[in-house]
Amino acid sequence: EAGVAQSPRYKIIEKRQSVAFWCNPISGHATLYWYQQILGQGPKLLIQFQNNGVVDDSQLPKDRFSAERLKGVDSTLKIQPAKLEDSAVYLCASSFSGRGEGGYTFGSGTRLTVV
Amino acid sequence: ILNVEQSPQSLHVQEGDSTNFTCSFPSSNFYALHWYRWETAKSPEALFVMTLNGDEKKKGRISATLNTKEGYSYLYIKGSQPEDSATYLCAFKRLSGANNLFFGTGTRLTVIP
Repeated sequence: EAGVAQSPRYKIIEKRQSVAFWCNPISGHATLYWYQQILGQGPKLLIQFQNNGVVDDSQLPKDRFSAERLKGVDSTLKIQPAKLEDSAVYLCASSFSGRGEGGYTFGSGTRLTVV
Repeated sequence: ILNVEQSPQSLHVQEGDSTNFTCSFPSSNFYALHWYRWETAKSPEALFVMTLNGDEKKKGRISATLNTKEGYSYLYIKGSQPEDSATYLCAFKRLSGANNLFFGTGTRLTVIP
């Protein structure tokens, strides 16, 4: 089966600019996650969708980050405006159910550098 | 915020050596413990999902054990090969509360040929 697709792979922007990331999960996976991994730290959940509804966005900095999953399939994550501390790898993952019994399937991530 | 700790942070081993890492997690409200392998420039790959106390799982030369009562899991690699070089992440899922994975910071393994 095709994996989780993410784009772009790399992005360099200046602070205060905007950026958007795209994710297409495994077909049939109802749950989609966006994680942020800052260098030296473990991945941290930003937002979790179940189909096209938000399950958990408690750690999403809503003043600058937004995400949507229209039609319950692919998803976009946007940062506007970006700050230096947003430099990180942004990982998208999907699972068949919210309990993730079979593990999560991850994309290869987008490495964002804010200068 | 849940505390999931991994040790060591990094290690170098010679090809052919066996090695192991530790993941510590809360011993209460346990649902599952995941292990992932993340090679540079690739996607994190699920190795094991463990749910029962005393679970032992094996995948080739890699195995893992789980102790939910004391809150730890070990990952073992037997006869390390250069292709085992990666960051190994563990992640904890709660029985109740937020329904997502809480990750440790990972153990970065380098296998020297």
